[in-house]
Amino acid sequence: ETGVTQTPRHLVMGMTNKKSLKCEQHLGHNAMYWYKQSAKKPLELMFVYNFKEQTENNSVPSRFSPECPNSSHLFLHLHTLQPEDSALYLCASSQVRAPGGEQFFGPGTRLTVL
Amino acid sequence: AQKVTQAQTEISVVEKEDVTLDCVYETRDTTYYLFWYKQPPSGELVFLIRRNSFDEQNEISGRYSWNFQKSTSSFNFTITASQVVDSAVYFCALDGNKLVFGAGTILRVKS
Repeated sequence: ETGVTQTPRHLVMGMTNKKSLKCEQHLGHNAMYWYKQSAKKPLELMFVYNFKEQTENNSVPSRFSPECPNSSHLFLHLHTLQPEDSALYLCASSQVRAPGGEQFFGPGTRLTVL
Repeated sequence: AQKVTQAQTEISVVEKEDVTLDCVYETRDTTYYLFWYKQPPSGELVFLIRRNSFDEQNEISGRYSWNFQKSTSSFNFTITASQVVDSAVYFCALDGNKLVFGAGTILRVKS
């Protein structure tokens, strides 16, 4: 595997389900990011991890819970979601989290909440 | 607060036409970076260019060119002689105190 991979690519869940999104990067980077992409809205940065430590949480509801066990893996745990949480969730990585760093993105997980 | 505005939601052109994607930003930072990313149908964003706030020199890379003007807080992207493979969503982003993206512009190039 190369670059940034995300699984699953598609996920349909009910509002009472618990599921997790997985992201893995094979680039030797130390920073990882979760983004939410909704139709016709700016790409929203949700969480940032730098050297496994969370450095940014952009007012994301607690029903989204990130986990970064090591610099190569990032998870987004989901529970009690709402239909408006349906979106494309993108993971990205960069060498470190610093202004101006080029990010490498995964293909995303298309989430549908029923 | 930092903000990026891509006023063009969707643009349709015919192959070989030139097209310019607009990006206007707001920031109080004196040092910042501007980016353009391309999102093809496969989903992953692909880095195209980065510019820092002290470098207003325009750049050309093949059919792509970028015009950075601090006086108007704009960082516009032009594709010359567009091709069908250019069809994608294009995002402008600002990275300073915080990292923010615009809403994206959908570019459709028809043959």
